[in-house]
Amino acid sequence: AQSVSQHNHHVILSEAASLELGCNYSYGGTVNLFWYVQYPGQHLQLLLKYFSGDPLVKGIKGFEAEFIKSKFSFNLRKPSVQWSDTAEYFCAVIPKAAAGNKLTFGGGTRVLVKP
Amino acid sequence: DSGVTQTPKHLITATGQRVTLRCSPRSGDLSVYWYQQSLDQGLQFLIQYYNGEERAKGNILERFSAQQFPDLHSELNLSSLELGDSALYFCASSVEGGGTDTQYFGPGTRLTVL
Repeated sequence: AQSVSQHNHHVILSEAASLELGCNYSYGGTVNLFWYVQYPGQHLQLLLKYFSGDPLVKGIKGFEAEFIKSKFSFNLRKPSVQWSDTAEYFCAVIPKAAAGNKLTFGGGTRVLVKP
Repeated sequence: DSGVTQTPKHLITATGQRVTLRCSPRSGDLSVYWYQQSLDQGLQFLIQYYNGEERAKGNILERFSAQQFPDLHSELNLSSLELGDSALYFCASSVEGGGTDTQYFGPGTRLTVL
């Protein structure tokens, strides 16, 4: 079975700092990759997704992620964070060969941006 | 607002009881998903329905069951509740239910078992 690891559980940084969140997955086949964000008191929202093609994917709110197949990684980045980026971020995968649309999530990374 | 609605928002009950969580998907979405979010297990997929039929199953306990009705809303039934079932239960929906579909999540139902 596939698994997803997010090594940073908590990240604290100041506004305008750059953010990079790590995500590694364990699965022998090809996968579809996602980053979701959960702002305080809100539902999960899709930030970006990767299915194929250019491994550098741009999402909403200035976020981007890079798929590195050889490292089984899909790290999320933002060059300059704002206080409003305070949230919990989840990486998720779906094996392309799987039936259905069963998202496997990482443990999440809580990001606190200090004003 | 994702367009996915869940009721109730909060539910407090006792061990051994049974509860039903309800989810209405976005207009036009045929697939519904249930996830459980707890402190120790994180976000876990429970089950997926597509147009009334079960499509995929995850770590759903035998005490839990779900269904999707002809009007496409879904219910998750949790019975013989235990303290460890306390969690946030999310419903999501998507257009078709394939691996490239974007899932849109509801606000969740927070279940507290005392």
